[in-house]
Amino acid sequence: RKEVEQDPGPFNVPEGATVAFNCTYSNSASQSFFWYRQDCRKEPKLLMSVYSSGNEDGRFTAQLNRASQYISLLIRDSKLSDSATYLCVVEYGNKLVFGAGTILRVKS
Amino acid sequence: EPEVTQTPSHQVTQMGQEVILRCVPISNHLYFYWYRQILGQKVEFLVSFYNNEISEKSEIFDDQFSVERPDGSNFTLKIRSTKLEDSAMYFCASSEWVGGLTPLHFGNGTRLTVT
Repeated sequence: RKEVEQDPGPFNVPEGATVAFNCTYSNSASQSFFWYRQDCRKEPKLLMSVYSSGNEDGRFTAQLNRASQYISLLIRDSKLSDSATYLCVVEYGNKLVFGAGTILRVKS
Repeated sequence: EPEVTQTPSHQVTQMGQEVILRCVPISNHLYFYWYRQILGQKVEFLVSFYNNEISEKSEIFDDQFSVERPDGSNFTLKIRSTKLEDSAMYFCASSEWVGGLTPLHFGNGTRLTVT
């Protein structure tokens, strides 16, 4: 299994849709997990941390399943401005390892 | 909001030349990183740095690469003899605590073009 694996997409959804992204990781010892967002040719920006109990930030919900080594991100009521690449990021000791990203395109 | 700053935003150099990429991390952060992203590819870890030492480095970070914190604010990445395949966006990042215990905050990157 790759260190961090994501479906590359693209996910093409209409405004207002709900969309979910998944991510798997290979290191069972990893303790910290994040979702970052990256716009074209820009730096990655933290979207949210992912906690064991699951957490929500407005329209965004993150879930962690340690047994399956699986992380998810749910976006409700998609906006045009949500169009970006979503990066699943997992701690591996002294570094964060990035997935290749999932492309989301929200269309009007 | 404090931010990580990187200079220059774009550097063009010839193959075989040395380049130094500069970063000013967030002032109360203790851990510093360099990542790179080749166009169309994933963000790749290069090196992490803490307490004036390299904490971890990837296989990409070979003898051609070095990092330094020459004073209390700057954090630099040097590539001694650039190759065409070093062309990429280089991101500096910093965090309050080690590895993934706290999120990384990224600078807006230096686009390196090697011709």
